[in-house]
Amino acid sequence: GAVVSQHPSWVICKSGTSVKIECRSLDFQATTMFWYRQFPKQSLMLMATSNEGSKATYEQGVEKDKFLINHASLTLSTLTVTSAHPEDSSFYICSAFRNYATGELFFGEGSRLTVL
Amino acid sequence: GESVGLHLPTLSVQEGDNSIINCAYSNSASDYFIWYKQESGKGPQFIIDIRSNMDKRQGQRVTVLLNKTVKHLSLQIAATQPGDSAVYFCAEKVPGYSTLTFGKGTMLLVSP
Repeated sequence: GAVVSQHPSWVICKSGTSVKIECRSLDFQATTMFWYRQFPKQSLMLMATSNEGSKATYEQGVEKDKFLINHASLTLSTLTVTSAHPEDSSFYICSAFRNYATGELFFGEGSRLTVL
Repeated sequence: GESVGLHLPTLSVQEGDNSIINCAYSNSASDYFIWYKQESGKGPQFIIDIRSNMDKRQGQRVTVLLNKTVKHLSLQIAATQPGDSAVYFCAEKVPGYSTLTFGKGTMLLVSP
C-alpha cells in the first residue's frame, strides 16, 4: 500500500485563490520531504526540500513566496500555491525517504492543479 | 500557460516481448540509481535500484544494468505485459546530497 499520501488528488480553482496540498508519510517519520512539479510529457522538476521544524530549501528559479512550504510535523508537509494563476496549473508530487540510509524514496500519488 | 510539452522517447513493443529502456545519467559521482514507473496521472512507483558497487541487479521480471564507464543505466523488462505501459524514469543520487536527479523519461507502450 501507499506509504506517502497526497491530498487532494486534483483541484480546480479560480485565478487569484490559494490552494493547499498536503503530503503525509503514513508509516514512518520524515524529517525531509521533497516537492516536485511535472508538466505533461516531462520529467519531474524538484521545487523544494521541506525540512521539519525549519525553513524549506528552494531550488533556483522557484518563488518561495509563491509556493509556501510548511513542514510542521514529522509526518506532514504542505505546499500552498498562493494567488494561483493558470500558469501554475500542473501536477505536483511529493516524496519522502522511508529509509535515508538505503535511499528508499517513496512518492505520493500526485495532485493535479488546474487554475481557471 | 504551461511549458510546451516535449515528446518523450517512446518504445513500442508487443506483449510478451522483452523491453530494454536506456538512460544516460549525468554525474560520475552518483552512487545510487533507481528506476521508477509512472502511470498516467499517478506518482512514480519504485521498481528497482542498484548501487554503484554493482553492475547488475535482478528483480521480478526486471533487471537493471549499470555501466559506470559510460554512465549508462538500463532497465530490462522480461515478457512485457500491457500493464507495463507507462513512463519510466531513471534517477541518480550523489553521496551527501539528499535529492535525486531524474532523467527525461521513456514512454513504454505495450500492444496486446
